[in-house]
Amino acid sequence: AQSVAQPEDQVNVAEGNPLTVKCTYSVSGNPYLFWYVQYPNRGLQFLLKYITGDNLVKGSYGFEAEFNKSQTSFHLKKPSALVSDSALYFCAVRESYNTDKLIFGTGTRLQVFP
Amino acid sequence: DAGVIQSPRHEVTEMGQEVTLRCKPISGHDYLFWYRQTMMRGLELLIYFNNNVPIDDSGMPEDRFSAKMPNASFSTLKIQPSEPRDSAVYFCASRPGQMNTEAFFGQGTRLTVV
Repeated sequence: AQSVAQPEDQVNVAEGNPLTVKCTYSVSGNPYLFWYVQYPNRGLQFLLKYITGDNLVKGSYGFEAEFNKSQTSFHLKKPSALVSDSALYFCAVRESYNTDKLIFGTGTRLQVFP
Repeated sequence: DAGVIQSPRHEVTEMGQEVTLRCKPISGHDYLFWYRQTMMRGLELLIYFNNNVPIDDSGMPEDRFSAKMPNASFSTLKIQPSEPRDSAVYFCASRPGQMNTEAFFGQGTRLTVV
């Protein structure tokens, strides 16, 4: 069965510093990987996805993520954090052929301090 | 497009009462998903539909929960009878039929059962 893990409940970073939010996955086939962001009292907003091709994916708001097949990881990164990036971030995985299900990780709360 | 529309945004009900949550997916989307978000369990997939047909309801907690999609533009999630442990935020999401597309989420319904 497919699964995704976000090992950190919270990540704290100072404004202007680079940030990384970690995600590892487990699927039996090829993965489709997604990052979503959730602001307080809002729904989830799509940030970026990896389907195939270049391992470095660029998305909204300056975020990017790197797909690493050997480490089964899809870490979210941003070169310079903003206070407004503070939110709850979810990694999600779907097997490319066997299922329509999108399975989410437990979420990581990002706190960017001024 | 207005996006995925959920109603109501907030619902407070007494234990034992019937609760109906509503969702209007994005026009043209073939898939519709119902998720539940709690602090303890994170985001759980309850059920999803493809072209109005329920495909997988293995995430539905018990028989008190039921979901329908009578047409391509409307779905309901019903809880009867409701219990305090059903208190959560319920999200509806939809996506197009292509496998490499992302899901779009509604704002959610915050359900409180007292």
